[in-house]
Amino acid sequence: DVKVTQSSRYLVKRTGEKVFLECVQDMDHENMFWYRQDPGLGLRLIYFSYDVKMKEKGDIPEGYSVSREKKERFSLILESASTNQTSMYLCASIKPSGTEYSPLHFGNGTRLTVT
Amino acid sequence: QKEVEQNSGPLSVPEGAIASLNCTYSDRGSQSFFWYRQYSGKSPELIMFIYSNGDKEDGRFTAQLNKASQYVSLLIRDSQPSDSATYLCAVNMFDYGQNFVFGPGTRLSVLP
Repeated sequence: DVKVTQSSRYLVKRTGEKVFLECVQDMDHENMFWYRQDPGLGLRLIYFSYDVKMKEKGDIPEGYSVSREKKERFSLILESASTNQTSMYLCASIKPSGTEYSPLHFGNGTRLTVT
Repeated sequence: QKEVEQNSGPLSVPEGAIASLNCTYSDRGSQSFFWYRQYSGKSPELIMFIYSNGDKEDGRFTAQLNKASQYVSLLIRDSQPSDSATYLCAVNMFDYGQNFVFGPGTRLSVLP
């Protein structure tokens, strides 16, 4: 079974803090994604990565950056947290590209509150 | 703008009834279609996927796809209170690697 692990289930941070959200997958998946989910807005893609050290902006990258130094780990960074970044953050991974029928596998999510 | 639309609900059905969840998508080049279930406060979990026109059955769940109408649905037979959740439709556009677009979700409530 695929396991996608997010390091924290709940986080509370202060405005202006630098925040790191970590995600690790154990299935050698090449592709990893960060989403945020807000009521009424659904799942929105922040960043994704197809390979180590490779990243692409999603639909809402402003205020975020990412790091993929190792294949199994994809980190989301909030450079200076703001209250409008309070949300549920979901990491996902997928089998190598070329398999269009593969599903996304999600981590358990990190509920971040910025005060 | 590639879009996936769902009725946000809530959709209420009595226990034992059939729940029908619908999804439409804008991109005719979409390749595969996924249904996820999400309980409140939890992450989405895959129920099933479909990529060919017609029906696909898995236990109490049936996914239906009509590419000409750009429409995909999920039927839940013999609905149980434990099926109460938000159901997300996801479409893989596959125009550049993996490109999943999610609908806003339909909240289903199964009444005992």
